[in-house]
Amino acid sequence: DVKVTQSSRYLVKRTGEKVFLECVQDMDHENMFWYRQDPGLGLRLIYFSYDVKMKEKGDIPEGYSVSREKKERFSLILESASTNQTSMYLCASSLITTGGGETQYFGPGTRLLVL
Amino acid sequence: AQTVTQSQPEMSVQEAETVTLSCTYDTSENNYYLFWYKQPPSRQMILVIRQEAYKQQNATENRFSVNFQKAAKSFSLKISDSQLGDTAMYFCAFARGSNYKLTFGKGTLLTVNP
Repeated sequence: DVKVTQSSRYLVKRTGEKVFLECVQDMDHENMFWYRQDPGLGLRLIYFSYDVKMKEKGDIPEGYSVSREKKERFSLILESASTNQTSMYLCASSLITTGGGETQYFGPGTRLLVL
Repeated sequence: AQTVTQSQPEMSVQEAETVTLSCTYDTSENNYYLFWYKQPPSRQMILVIRQEAYKQQNATENRFSVNFQKAAKSFSLKISDSQLGDTAMYFCAFARGSNYKLTFGKGTLLTVNP
C-alpha cells in the first residue's frame, strides 16, 4: 500500500514564524502535491512537484514556498506565518504515466493554527 | 479553467438506504478523468472511484457507482446499502488527460444515520 506521511498532525505557531511542513511518500512517486483545505472551499492546490528540484505553482502559491531535494520528500514552507494561513494542509503523491489521470494518495493532514 | 461544482453541501441518509451525490463540471477538454474521493472524520482522504471520460461505461466499485453523463457534464455518485462507515466528506475532482493536477469541488458532507 502507498503510504504518505506528514510530520505533524497538529501545529501551533505564532505570527511571523517560519514554518516547515514535511511530507514523505514510500512508493517512488514522481508527483507530489501540497493542498490547503478550508471549510466551504474544498481543496486548493498550493504547489506541486513532478521531479526532484522541480516545482510548479498551483492556484494559491502566495505566502508559500516548497522544497524537493529527494524524490520521497516534499516540504512546504511558510516564510512568515500569518493568521490567514491557519488551515488544514494535505500532502499527496501520484505516479507519472503517459495517459495522465493517475490516482493521488493523500497523507493524514496537518492542522496548522497561527496565533 | 476547469470548474467542479457540488451543489449539496450536506446530505443525510438512513443506514441501508441509497443516496446520490451530485457533481457537475465545466471543461472544453475531450480527454479527462473524474474522481470521487472520500474523507472520513479525522482520517485520510482515499479514492472511491475513478472514471475515464473516453469510456462510456459507468465505473463501479462494490456499493459505489457513478452516473457519468458526458454531454451534460455530470458525474454523480450513488452509494447503495449505506453503512455508518460511509459517513464522510465526499469530494468530486477533475483532471485533464495529460495533466496531473486535480481540481476539486467544495465537497458534500454525508451523514449516515442508524
